[in-house]
Amino acid sequence: QQQVKQSPQSLIVQKGGISIINCAYENTAFDYFPWYQQFPGKGPALLIAIRPDVSEKKEGRFTISFNKSAKQFSLHIMDSQPGDSATYFCAAGGSNYKLTFGKGTLLTVNP
Amino acid sequence: GAGVSQSPSNKVTEKGKDVELRCDPISGHTALYWYRQSLGQGLEFLIYFQGNSAPDKSGLPSDRFSAERTGGSVSTLTIQRTQQEDSAVYLCASSLVGGVNQPQHFGDGTRLSIL
Repeated sequence: QQQVKQSPQSLIVQKGGISIINCAYENTAFDYFPWYQQFPGKGPALLIAIRPDVSEKKEGRFTISFNKSAKQFSLHIMDSQPGDSATYFCAAGGSNYKLTFGKGTLLTVNP
Repeated sequence: GAGVSQSPSNKVTEKGKDVELRCDPISGHTALYWYRQSLGQGLEFLIYFQGNSAPDKSGLPSDRFSAERTGGSVSTLTIQRTQQEDSAVYLCASSLVGGVNQPQHFGDGTRLSIL
């Protein structure tokens, strides 16, 4: 009930391509869905977040798409750059303070 | 400080020893979280502090783990009688107030290796 399933585990994209990472959740009480970006040796940093009252949120090259009926959400990185190479974590939270994190996706963008 | 500070950045110790990990949150942040990140795994919630309220210790994996937060600021996570499965990166995060929609600001973690 509390799991957030993230896929793929790893992803290799060419520079300029689109990176897509998917997450699925089970708990219908979740109503906040952030994505965190983590570079090697650093802590995660909030990238973008969405609430289920909208189906899409865009910030620069980063877009979250949200499908409430399917209980799925995804991160799209347009025009992927080598500097985007990092591990990306989706997460979900509900009425309290706890976030449930996915296991992460290691993105490599080749020059 | 400008961000969340954790120390030490790396810790290598022998099985059975006790270790203490420190977290300095962003000044003024009332909420503080500890997470454990094992290789290939997501972030596992350990404990949550909010102001002067009783902490949520529901994520601590065993009674060998404990944490405290003194004066609503600095926090220490203590692992007693360390085991090899305790090897992981321990991350601390703080947010201005508690709440799932509050951005959590993470430190760079302590990489703990148990020999």
